[in-house]
Amino acid sequence: EVHLVESGGDLVQPGGSLILSCEASGFTFGAYWMTWVRRLPGKGLEWVANIKPDGGEENYLDSMKGRFIISRDNAHNSLFLQLNNVREEDTAIYYCARVDLGRGVDIWGLGTHVTVSS
Amino acid sequence: EIVMTQTPTSLSVIPGQAASISCKSTESLVNRDGATNIYWYLERPGQSPQLLIYDGFSRIPDVPDRFSGSGSKTDFTLQISRVEAGDVGLYFCMQGVKLPWTFGQGTRLEIK
Repeated sequence: EVHLVESGGDLVQPGGSLILSCEASGFTFGAYWMTWVRRLPGKGLEWVANIKPDGGEENYLDSMKGRFIISRDNAHNSLFLQLNNVREEDTAIYYCARVDLGRGVDIWGLGTHVTVSS
Repeated sequence: EIVMTQTPTSLSVIPGQAASISCKSTESLVNRDGATNIYWYLERPGQSPQLLIYDGFSRIPDVPDRFSGSGSKTDFTLQISRVEAGDVGLYFCMQGVKLPWTFGQGTRLEIK
């Protein structure tokens, strides 16, 4: 069965850094684009970033360019999101998800909570 | 960016009755291959979002045929023909034709 499990969410101070991880199982991780999506409190979902199967291409929401870094380790079926210089408005549930080229974003994890507060 | 306007924000439905959710986009969601890149999801309480419909009207295997997607270009609908108790949750649409991918605000379905 296909599973995505996020971890690493925490309380972090403004200006701080955090690394989120996502462990994949049940599919050939290295064959898929992967993505991060977040749910902001009281608001809807916001796409954050995605990464090509071989890690050779990354795309980001404009407001996150230069602050967030998406990466992957195909040997360990893992996806990462490094959050730098975080702001209170980065407080959200962060979801890891798989991108199927035919079906779109088809598998999601349960999410990991990030709270940015002093 | 493409804005997705989803309505209504909430629905209260009697079991067995139909429900309909709309998503309108500010640009056409038809890609250069002719497919329409709109997706519909259900997030049940305590669970991960589940993909129901892709490319506007294609149902994921194991999703009951009570769920159907329709529409074209900028105007799309998710219909549930006979609502059941297990359909409760947050429904949302997503466009994948152009980055940044964007989402509707969500529709919370409850049972009357």
